[in-house]
Amino acid sequence: AQSVTQPDIHITVSEGASLELRCNYSYGATPYLFWYVQSPGQGLQLLLKYFSGDTLVQGIKGFEAEFKRSQSSFNLRKPSVHWSDAAEYFCAVGALGGFQKLVFGTGTRLLVSP
Amino acid sequence: NAGVTQTPKFRILKIGQSMTLQCTQDMNHNYMYWYRQDPGMGLKLIYYSVGAGITDKGEVPNGYNVSRSTTEDFPLRLELAAPSQTSVYFCASRSQQGADQPQHFGDGTRLSIL
Repeated sequence: AQSVTQPDIHITVSEGASLELRCNYSYGATPYLFWYVQSPGQGLQLLLKYFSGDTLVQGIKGFEAEFKRSQSSFNLRKPSVHWSDAAEYFCAVGALGGFQKLVFGTGTRLLVSP
Repeated sequence: NAGVTQTPKFRILKIGQSMTLQCTQDMNHNYMYWYRQDPGMGLKLIYYSVGAGITDKGEVPNGYNVSRSTTEDFPLRLELAAPSQTSVYFCASRSQQGADQPQHFGDGTRLSIL
């Protein structure tokens, strides 16, 4: 069965510190992977996506993610967190093309301390 | 740039009432989706549409209906509201121009059934 696991429900990081959010997936075909961010009261905004090529992908707002097929992981990273990064982050996996049914993880809420 | 627009933003319903959640997009996307987001559960697909006149069920369609008479609009109807339908509802759309096009989300409708 297709699934996405985000093992950390909450993470607290100091402003200026580095960040890594974990995502593991189970998918029977070649995965198409996404990270979305949701600020309070807002919809989901796409941070980055991966479906082929360089396994290190760059996204908006200084985020990057690395696809590791051997570990079935797609972890999100940022070298220096800003207070405005406090939000909920969702990893998702789906098929490339077609109607693109996405399976979402349960999300990781990032808190940024001064 | 309007993107995906959902109305209303908030609504409280009584058990047994009906209502329609509106979703419209101005990007000429063929694909549209309805998700519900429950606390700690990620997003679950309710219904989706691959074009005007074509809709299909997602993971959790019970208690909901949709229609797609135009490319722009994809309303979601609750016929007999139940407390289990208390959730945040997101509409999304996706371009058919390229298999790697991501989904774009609206800001959501927060619905409470009392």
